[in-house]
Amino acid sequence: QLHLQGSGPGLVKPSETLSLTCAVSGGSVTSNSLYWGWIRQPPGKGLEWIASIHFSGTTYYNPSLKSRVTISVDTSSNQFSLKLTSVTAADTAVYYCGREGFVGTANYFDYWGQGALVTVSS
Amino acid sequence: EIVLTQSPATLSLSPGDRATLSCRASQSVSNYLAWYQQKPGQAPRLLIYDVSNRATGIPARFSGSGSGTDFTLTISSLEPEDFAVYYCLQRSNWHTFGPGTKVDIK
Repeated sequence: QLHLQGSGPGLVKPSETLSLTCAVSGGSVTSNSLYWGWIRQPPGKGLEWIASIHFSGTTYYNPSLKSRVTISVDTSSNQFSLKLTSVTAADTAVYYCGREGFVGTANYFDYWGQGALVTVSS
Repeated sequence: EIVLTQSPATLSLSPGDRATLSCRASQSVSNYLAWYQQKPGQAPRLLIYDVSNRATGIPARFSGSGSGTDFTLTISSLEPEDFAVYYCLQRSNWHTFGPGTKVDIK
């Protein structure tokens, strides 16, 4: 059974960089049909896709966040990571990592980590 | 950027009722439309992909329909565990989620 475990600091200071890692178990990040990504959810609000990556290095970013976001994958550790620079209080959210499985005719997020609350505050 | 709108924002129903949730896209998303269910404190769960296909393990009371810009999620008879927030997602152009519809108990 696939399991995604996100981790990172729960508190980040304004203007600093938020770094999160998602460890994948029960499956490989190098499966050719899969993408891996990050989604966030501010408290009490809706979902926002941040970025996705294929193990080959192909990346896709939300245009509204692209200038501040880097997603990467570490095949040797079977994990992928997110960096978000110059954070503000608006970046406070639960950050989910997820697998985009190829189902039907496209890749959809079909497995999700449990989510990690990151608060931006001094 | 493709914008998704969902209506209504809140749907107050009783167990056994039929729930009809709407998702409208600002431009055609072809058939690249999914629905997710999210309960408090949990990650979203994929219900429907490609407009009308149920994901693994999803009960038959959940069905999706629509095309182009207008889509519907129908829950034929609400079970107690179905009271949650439902999001649509388009995959035609990157990923965009709708703002959600909360189905709560009347």
